Amino acid sequence: DVKVTQSSRYLVKRTGEKVFLECVQDMDHENMFWYRQDPGLGLRLIYFSYDVKMKEKGDIPEGYSVSREKKERFSLILESASTNQTSMYLCASRASGGTGGGYTFGSGTRLTVV
Amino acid sequence: AQSVTQPDIHITVSEGASLELRCNYSYGATPYLFWYVQSPGQGLQLLLKYFSGDTLVQGIKGFEAEFKRSQSSFNLRKPSVHWSDAAEYFCAVGVREYGNKLVFGAGTILRVKS
Repeated sequence: DVKVTQSSRYLVKRTGEKVFLECVQDMDHENMFWYRQDPGLGLRLIYFSYDVKMKEKGDIPEGYSVSREKKERFSLILESASTNQTSMYLCASRASGGTGGGYTFGSGTRLTVV
Repeated sequence: AQSVTQPDIHITVSEGASLELRCNYSYGATPYLFWYVQSPGQGLQLLLKYFSGDTLVQGIKGFEAEFKRSQSSFNLRKPSVHWSDAAEYFCAVGVREYGNKLVFGAGTILRVKS
């Protein structure tokens, strides 16, 4: 069964810490995405990557960076965590081409910054 | 800019009753449209998608959606709701220019009364 795996389900970090959220997919997909989910706001795109070492800013990139050194792994980095980054983070992947479907989402990482 | 509006934050229906969840989108080109469902503590599961052709789309779990270009709408329907349908539902539009990123609505929480 194909899947997107996010390494942590729950994470608690302190303000100012550097935080790494990891996402791994086993489908050989070119495109990977990081979304943030907040009540009443739905999912908002933070960053996405369309190939190894390639990245593009999404709608809310401030305070975040990403790394994609291998095709299967896409990391979200909070350089200096703040309380307003407390949220649910969802990773997704999809193959290139086609009509835009074929997204697979991970189960999410609920991050609390204290 | 692309956007998706789900006007209803919460909806409560009785088990066995019919359901319609509303979705309106704003996108300059022919849209790719999606409905996802998220059960508590879970990732997103694709219910159905519209790319082209027949404007009435059938999905999983007995759901269907109708694309109406003139109204910029893609409403989700189910003729008879089951208690297990209680979840949060997200409408999304695929944006081709950014790796087919998904732009999500804020979500509608469905409660089912027994």
